[in-house]
Amino acid sequence: KQEVTQIPAALSVPEGENLVLNCSFTDSAIYNLQWFRQDPGKGLTSLLLIQSSQREQTSGRLNASLDKSSGRSTLYIAASQPGDSATYLCAVDPLMDSNYQLIWGAGTKLIIKP
Amino acid sequence: NAGVMQNPRHLVRRRGQEARLRCSPMKGHSHVYWYRQLPEEGLKFMVYLQKENIIDESGMPKERFSAEFPKEGPSILRIQQVVRGDSAAYFCASSRQHNQPQHFGDGTRLSIL
Repeated sequence: KQEVTQIPAALSVPEGENLVLNCSFTDSAIYNLQWFRQDPGKGLTSLLLIQSSQREQTSGRLNASLDKSSGRSTLYIAASQPGDSATYLCAVDPLMDSNYQLIWGAGTKLIIKP
Repeated sequence: NAGVMQNPRHLVRRRGQEARLRCSPMKGHSHVYWYRQLPEEGLKFMVYLQKENIIDESGMPKERFSAEFPKEGPSILRIQQVVRGDSAAYFCASSRQHNQPQHFGDGTRLSIL
């Protein structure tokens, strides 16, 4: 059974720092992995999607990596800004024809202090 | 190009009442997913529907919960005889095809008094 874990649950850093958020999954048979951002009282915004054949994806100050063999993904945020404050969720799409679910981590709540 | 639209944004019900949550997918999307998020937790899959068909409802409680996605109109998540434990944020997502990126609505926050 696929399980997704995100560590730490919460992180507070000063503005301008580079930081890494971690996501681990127990079953390497995945179709893809996505990182989402959730703002309070809002829905989810997809940040990056990494297909199982890829090792990383980049968008602006964000870089996501994927290591299937070790069951890990990281989201790297460069030069953090107060506007980056949000909860970051990772979700795995399992590689099973009969499984339509995304499996979610509980999220990392990120606070960037001005 | 409107995104996924959910309404209402907030819904308050008393125990025993019915709650109806609506989701209009993005234009061109025929796959709809419903998720529930409890406070301080990640999302939990509930049900996956295509037009007029429930494909996977393995995450939905067997009693009191039902979902539909009719040929015309939005997808509806219906909760009968609500209880306090149903209080949560309910998110809808849609995609053009399965295994393609899911686009999320802003959710409906359900509070049970």
